[in-house]
Amino acid sequence: NAGVTQTPKFRILKIGQSMTLQCTQDMNHNYMYWYRQDPGMGLKLIYYSVGAGITDKGEVPNGYNVSRSTTEDFPLRLELAAPSQTSVYFCASIQGQRSEKLFFGSGTQLSVL
Amino acid sequence: EDQVTQSPEALRLQEGESSSLNCSYTVSGLRGLFWYRQDPGKGPEFLFTLYSAGEEKEKERLKATLTKKESFLHITAPKPEDSATYLCAVEGVGGGNKLTFGTGTQLKVEL
Repeated sequence: NAGVTQTPKFRILKIGQSMTLQCTQDMNHNYMYWYRQDPGMGLKLIYYSVGAGITDKGEVPNGYNVSRSTTEDFPLRLELAAPSQTSVYFCASIQGQRSEKLFFGSGTQLSVL
Repeated sequence: EDQVTQSPEALRLQEGESSSLNCSYTVSGLRGLFWYRQDPGKGPEFLFTLYSAGEEKEKERLKATLTKKESFLHITAPKPEDSATYLCAVEGVGGGNKLTFGTGTQLKVEL
């Protein structure tokens, strides 16, 4: 049971490039989330999804896009990368409506230079 | 807007020296308060969920407590392997299982 898997683990982008951060979970969880973590700032919610075909904005969605075509996958797309998007990105998932423990992936460290 | 403030930012303890971490919160209707542990280069790992004031949860050397305004994570006789960043988060009644995280307390336990 792999849990939540994120790829890649590290990436360096040039300003203006685009990329997709991949996230997949094998726990049949309905809810999936993308967070970014900056030093001293805590985890900030970018986008979330309550099920396949349904996505919604979190606290810091600008510059990002998501899709949820299957229950398992929740990719995060960065268009026109900017230095402000340098961060560590975490994908997470949870099964039910009542908050239980979030399962986190191991993160993607992204640098935009 | 939900808010979470953790203190101290960093804490250095000697092995066996007990202490507490604080998490103060404001939320429009608490659905749950969560403690996570995060090791360097890894994602947060779930420790506890507390749902109502007065509730307590324990796991090995860790004990979490909850009041209407704050939560404490008590660490009894810590060991070096307890060194990590401890994150607190809350979920309000806004729904969607969306958590608001604090900035964490970085704990280092030395021999």
